[in-house]
Order: sequence, then C-alpha cells, then structure tokens
Amino acid sequence: GENVEQHPSTLSVQEGDSAVIKCTYSDSASNYFPWYKQELGKGPQLIIDIRSNVGEKKDQRIAVTLNKTAKHFSLHITETQPEDSAVYFCAASRRYGGATNKLIFGTGTLLAVQP
Amino acid sequence: DAGITQSPRYKITETGRQVTLMCHQTWSHSYMFWYRQDLGHGLRLIYYSAAADITDKGEVPDGYVVSRSKTENFPLTLESATRSQTSVYFCASSEYVYEQYFGPGTRLTVT
Repeated sequence: GENVEQHPSTLSVQEGDSAVIKCTYSDSASNYFPWYKQELGKGPQLIIDIRSNVGEKKDQRIAVTLNKTAKHFSLHITETQPEDSAVYFCAASRRYGGATNKLIFGTGTLLAVQP
Repeated sequence: DAGITQSPRYKITETGRQVTLMCHQTWSHSYMFWYRQDLGHGLRLIYYSAAADITDKGEVPDGYVVSRSKTENFPLTLESATRSQTSVYFCASSEYVYEQYFGPGTRLTVT
C-alpha cells in the first residue's frame, strides 16, 4: 500500500523567511496530493492540493510542487507570518474508478514562525 | 452554518466500556470518514462511508464499529475500549472524491 514520508518533523523560521516541507510517496499510481494545516485544538484544514497532471500550483503565499518521476511533492510558504505557525500534513491517494479518495497522511511538520 | 460537528469534544472512559463518538454534517456530503491522530503516526483512517448504509474499513479498523443510517450522521463505537485507543478522533466529510473537510475532533482517554 501507499506510504508517505514527511520531513522535517519540526521547522523554525524567522518571520518573513520562506519555509519548505517535503514529502515522498511510494505508490506511483497516486494522483492526488493535498496539504492540511492544523492549528492547536482544531481539526486539519485543507490549504492547497495538486493533482498528478499538474507540476505546480500557487495560491498567494503558498505553493505546492510535484515531481512524479522522483515521487515527491513539497509545500512552499513565502513571507511567513506568525499565524502560519501550525502543524502541516501532507497526504497522497489514488482514485479507483468511482471509488472515494482514501488519504494516506504523512506524520506532520510543526512549523514555528518566530516574530 | 455548523458544517461538521463532533461530540463529545472530550471523553474519559474506563477499559472495557463501550463508548460512542458522534459526527454530524450539515452539507449532505456523500462521503464520511473517521481518523485517529497519534503522535508519530499522523492521521490514520479507521472507517469510511460512501453513502448511507455503505461502510468500509480503513487502515486501522480493529476494535471499532460504525454505522450510517442517515446521510448526515456517522457514529463511531468502541465496543470494549482499550488503553491503546486513547487518541484524538477526527471525523471528515466530502462530496466529491477529493476535498475532505474535518471536524474539530474528540479527545478520548481510556484509563
């Protein structure tokens, strides 16, 4: 089955710097890669996702890149702000015909943005 | 617009007791999911449901039971709680195949 590895487990950056979180996956048939942000005491919130027919996607200060050959994808946050501090999870899945999307999550990255 | 809610938010129970965690969504999403979150493991899928009366196992289903008689509700039951089931439980829903929306979670402690 699918296995997702996420690095680093913790990341500390200065406000205004960029942050990069990387994930690798094992199943070459995976075709959907979402990123979730989880703030303390809350449920994960989808912040951006990418499908396998796209190499990069941006949404304001957040971008995700996908390298299907190497089977890895990354989250990039530019101009970090204190409110970006949270745990970030990557996930991967593949869709079988009309079946639902069963996500396999990475183990999470605790991002701390220092003012 | 409540979205997706979970109850209780916190629960302490004893080993061997039955406990049910509730999940309710107001979007009429077809798909619903139960995950558990543990340090070092991220989120792991317990069970999911594609529609009312249709459920299937995820990665870690042992010791759990689900039902879905109504589209909006997806309760998770621990038939005989064990300490290894101490965790934070999240319910999620989605209408289409991709985007999943999570509830606020239930922190369960089994003593």
